[in-house]
Amino acid sequence: DQQVKQNSPSLSVQEGRISILNCDYTNSMFDYFLWYKKYPAEGPTFLISISSIKDKNEDGRFTVFLNKSAKHLSLHIVPSQPGDSAVYFCAAYMEYGNKLVFGAGTILRVKS
Amino acid sequence: DVKVTQSSRYLVKRTGEKVFLECVQDMDHENMFWYRQDPGLGLRLIYFSYDVKMKEKGDIPEGYSVSREKKERFSLILESASTNQTSMYLCASRLNYGYTFGSGTRLTVV
Repeated sequence: DQQVKQNSPSLSVQEGRISILNCDYTNSMFDYFLWYKKYPAEGPTFLISISSIKDKNEDGRFTVFLNKSAKHLSLHIVPSQPGDSAVYFCAAYMEYGNKLVFGAGTILRVKS
Repeated sequence: DVKVTQSSRYLVKRTGEKVFLECVQDMDHENMFWYRQDPGLGLRLIYFSYDVKMKEKGDIPEGYSVSREKKERFSLILESASTNQTSMYLCASRLNYGYTFGSGTRLTVV
């Protein structure tokens, strides 16, 4: 039972344009949602998070939007840079249960 | 910054061998986790520990065990390695909902 789904395995974007990565979840009890970025042969690094009581969080070029009624969140990267090319994981955290649940990941390629 | 260190970046082991993957964190976090990452499956939780000598099964514990004798160290053990355990193994430690991951161990079982 996949509680967090990233339906796009990959995304290709031109440098300078917007990248939009999407994520859907099934459990309305999640308290926080997080995005992690992962380069090959490295561990995931935290990128940005959003509380379930918010609908938007912004940090520089990165913005996460949360639509609770649709159980959907998205990560916007503007402008996209070649160094943003990586695998992006959406994750959801529930304080009850002490677990972080990950999606399958989306490979982002930013072409220069 | 929290540092999570995994002792090996790459390992090659034979089928049937007992394999130990070591993880150390330096921030006195109580919670530590072992995940494996496979293409198309994301990160799946194998085991976690919320205190010394305490452990809980994650979503895919079969074929694995763990040991947490000291707060800073969390070991993953493959009792008898099999080829379907070839994967990237990631250790993490947690404060609140912020997880910090190690660099990962790429294990190949031949």
